Amino acid sequence: ILNVEQSPQSLHVQEGDSTNFTCSFPSSNFYALHWYRWETAKSPEALFVMTLNGDEKKKGRISATLNTKEGYSYLYIKGSQPEDSATYLCAFWSQGAQKLVFGQGTRLTINP
Amino acid sequence: EAGVTQSPTHLIKTRGQQATLRCSPISGHTSVYWYQQALGLGLQFLLWYDEGEERNRGNFPPRFSGRQFPNYSSELNVNALELEDSALYLCASSLTPWSSYEQYFGPGTRLTVT
Repeated sequence: ILNVEQSPQSLHVQEGDSTNFTCSFPSSNFYALHWYRWETAKSPEALFVMTLNGDEKKKGRISATLNTKEGYSYLYIKGSQPEDSATYLCAFWSQGAQKLVFGQGTRLTINP
Repeated sequence: EAGVTQSPTHLIKTRGQQATLRCSPISGHTSVYWYQQALGLGLQFLLWYDEGEERNRGNFPPRFSGRQFPNYSSELNVNALELEDSALYLCASSLTPWSSYEQYFGPGTRLTVT
């Protein structure tokens, strides 16, 4: 059974602070790691898709890193803003499974 | 460019009935995925269609079925509804069936089974 773990489950951060959270996935049979942001009452929105060990992706104040050998990815948010409040989901696509397996998400709340 | 659309937004059914959920992918996208998010659980993969063929299905009973039409839109059917089928059903589409492409999600259909 493929298991994707995200930590922490929830996080409260002051506006302006930087934060990061973790996605752990099986290190074998790796194909791709996806990050999505899911704001309340909206659809999940793709942030990054990473496929290579050592990949680093950046979109504005948000960045992500990937370590496929040890099976983890970090998502960083620099200078958090209220609009960053959302649930951040990671999802793992493994060779052979032919599907995205999602973690439970990290719910981020930015306090003004 | 229009995003992924789903209908209906909400659906209320009674136990034992059948539900049909519909999804229209982004124009040009050939792959359509269905996910279930039940209360307190994460997104669970249901079905994947590409070019009209079912490519994979998740660990759900055969009551859950679907199809993809020649215009790449898709339908999810749930037969003999049970109370635990109450959930948010999300449809997503991608440009290609490759795992390295992001999926674009629709707004979802909230199914309530009473």
